[in-house]
Amino acid sequence: DTEVTQTPKHLVMGMTNKKSLKCEQHMGHRAMYWYKQKAKKPPELMFVYSYEKLSINESVPSRFSPECPNSSLLNLHLHALQPEDSALYLCASSQGGSWEKLFFGSGTQLSVL
Amino acid sequence: AQSVTQLDSQVPVFEEAPVELRCNYSSSVSVYLFWYVQYPNQGLQLLLKYLSGSTLVESINGFEAEFNKSQTSFHLRKPSVHISDTAEYFCAVSDRGNQGGKLIFGQGTELSVKP
Repeated sequence: DTEVTQTPKHLVMGMTNKKSLKCEQHMGHRAMYWYKQKAKKPPELMFVYSYEKLSINESVPSRFSPECPNSSLLNLHLHALQPEDSALYLCASSQGGSWEKLFFGSGTQLSVL
Repeated sequence: AQSVTQLDSQVPVFEEAPVELRCNYSSSVSVYLFWYVQYPNQGLQLLLKYLSGSTLVESINGFEAEFNKSQTSFHLRKPSVHISDTAEYFCAVSDRGNQGGKLIFGQGTELSVKP
């Protein structure tokens, strides 16, 4: 299994809602990532987990809260988002080193109303 | 800090023609270099990467890229493109000393192959 699975594929939420994005991989990868991608733009790194511990937070607002319950799962909890947070949220995983191939999921297309 | 510049935001080309997508990088340290491809409504997929050794690297679907240290470039080429190559292509760098796998992406080049 060489897939990274993200759910849901699409999400529409209001600014007062709380929702979660989920990501799962069964490749035994030790690093997992959240990226945000606006239309016609490159992905921007948000968070990196290494061995289930948060290793990089790219100064992301606290309305985004990552969680890594185990080595196969990565969640992104969303609360009080703004319309400008609407984007494609991509999860990725890798064996860990900076030379490693990243495996990306297909993403969750988020719309904040 | 590293940065990546993709010199062309859009490259239209006819089927079976050759194509070159240009990428230049800037870094004060040694880097690893990557090309990722993103098809519509999908995540990114690794196309090829340069870690060390031969400066010419190839992918399984006919793309190749050449690392040029003196020009700090990593241009992507294909001698004959297909309609199915239509996609967004991202050049990326990673700091060799960074164990966290952080990638810095260029702005992307939209390759549009026309029949």
